[in-house]
Amino acid sequence: GAVVSQHPSWVICKSGTSVKIECRSLDFQATTMFWYRQFPKQSLMLMATSNEGSKATYEQGVEKDKFLINHASLTLSTLTVTSAHPEDSSFYICSASGVGGRLNQPQHFGDGTRLSIL
Amino acid sequence: GQQVMQIPQYQHVQEGEDFTTYCNSSTTLSNIQWYKQRPGGHPVFLIQLVKSGEVKKQKRLTFQFGEAKKNSSLHITATQTTDVGTYFCAGTNAGGTSYGKLTFGQGTILTVHP
Repeated sequence: GAVVSQHPSWVICKSGTSVKIECRSLDFQATTMFWYRQFPKQSLMLMATSNEGSKATYEQGVEKDKFLINHASLTLSTLTVTSAHPEDSSFYICSASGVGGRLNQPQHFGDGTRLSIL
Repeated sequence: GQQVMQIPQYQHVQEGEDFTTYCNSSTTLSNIQWYKQRPGGHPVFLIQLVKSGEVKKQKRLTFQFGEAKKNSSLHITATQTTDVGTYFCAGTNAGGTSYGKLTFGQGTILTVHP
């Protein structure tokens, strides 16, 4: 159980393109989803917390207009990197907690999306 | 803000040797979770510790949570090549208002030589 699907796995696109990444919880309802960014051999940096039916909570230094997050249902959250540039190239990973997003809930991670902007 | 420090950053061991990674938080934690990320993969949840002084075991892995709930460790006995990967600790700040938000340590990259 607790499977999180993330799509696409790889994206290569030109500078200026907007890229949408989907994160789905397949066998449970996720009130809360999290979006992380990870550079090679580094830790996961939380970008934002996505709550179903409300606005996402962004971490300090993360541009809201650059990284658009939508959590339209209990099983789907999307991250759109708008007008992507080479510096946005990274590994983006989503995770989901169970219903209620209560404390002490483990997070279940998607496989990640490797984004390369040319 | 909350910081979670993890050491060492890298650890190279011979197969059969033991391995330990340590995690320290700048603030008291509500709970601490441990994850393993294989090369090219995504983090996979290993375990969660909630109680002060808690010790949990999973086969060759032993997890500890400090009495003050500010530090934790993961010890692997007799490492195997399948243990290769990056081990992350991640904590939830006690009294935090953001449900479920984790702060990850930098991770320890474990290499096991056969």
